[in-house]
Amino acid sequence: GENVEQHPSTLSVQEGDSAVIKCTYSDSASNYFPWYKQELGKRPQLIIDIRSNVGEKKDQRIAVTLNKTAKHFSLHITETQPEDSAVYFCAAVKPGTYKYIFGTGTRLKVLA
Amino acid sequence: DTAVSQTPKYLVTQMGNDKSIKCEQNLGHDTMYWYKQDSKKFLKIMFSYNNKELIINETVPNRFSPKSPDKAHLNLHINSLELGDSAVYFCASSPPGQGSTGELFFGEGSRLTVL
Repeated sequence: GENVEQHPSTLSVQEGDSAVIKCTYSDSASNYFPWYKQELGKRPQLIIDIRSNVGEKKDQRIAVTLNKTAKHFSLHITETQPEDSAVYFCAAVKPGTYKYIFGTGTRLKVLA
Repeated sequence: DTAVSQTPKYLVTQMGNDKSIKCEQNLGHDTMYWYKQDSKKFLKIMFSYNNKELIINETVPNRFSPKSPDKAHLNLHINSLELGDSAVYFCASSPPGQGSTGELFFGEGSRLTVL
């Protein structure tokens, strides 16, 4: 069935450094790839998304890249800050299914 | 104004009991979901309704029964609770007009603990 692999499961970086989280999806028909941030004890919230007709999207310190051929997409956070510490989830969605398949999550710790 | 609200936020109960979680959204969305987040933080789809019609029913034990009285409400009833049902249950909704590829708006979650 559909599957999304996410790596790494935990990531620690120094404040100001960059962080990269990678996901691989199995269903080549997937065309929507959102990223969610979940702070401790809170709900997941969308931080950025990308559709399959775009290779890269940027929003201030956050960027997402998509390689459809390899079925990879990645989240890049530059100039990390302590408030970036959270669990990040990638997801892949196939059109017409309403089924958001989430990756297993990455716990990011930004050390001050 | 809470966009997607769930009640109760916390639920502690004994094995074998039956419990319900309620969800309401005031965003005018057509599609609502139940997700289960276990202790390892995995987010797993359970059910989805579009305009009161069940469209996703994952391999969930039939002790779990969703019900959508109207498109703004989606409830989850769980019979004969087991220890493994302990988790945080998130309700979510997504906007109309974007097919199945729009932002998911999550509720605050309902933490269920089965003793």
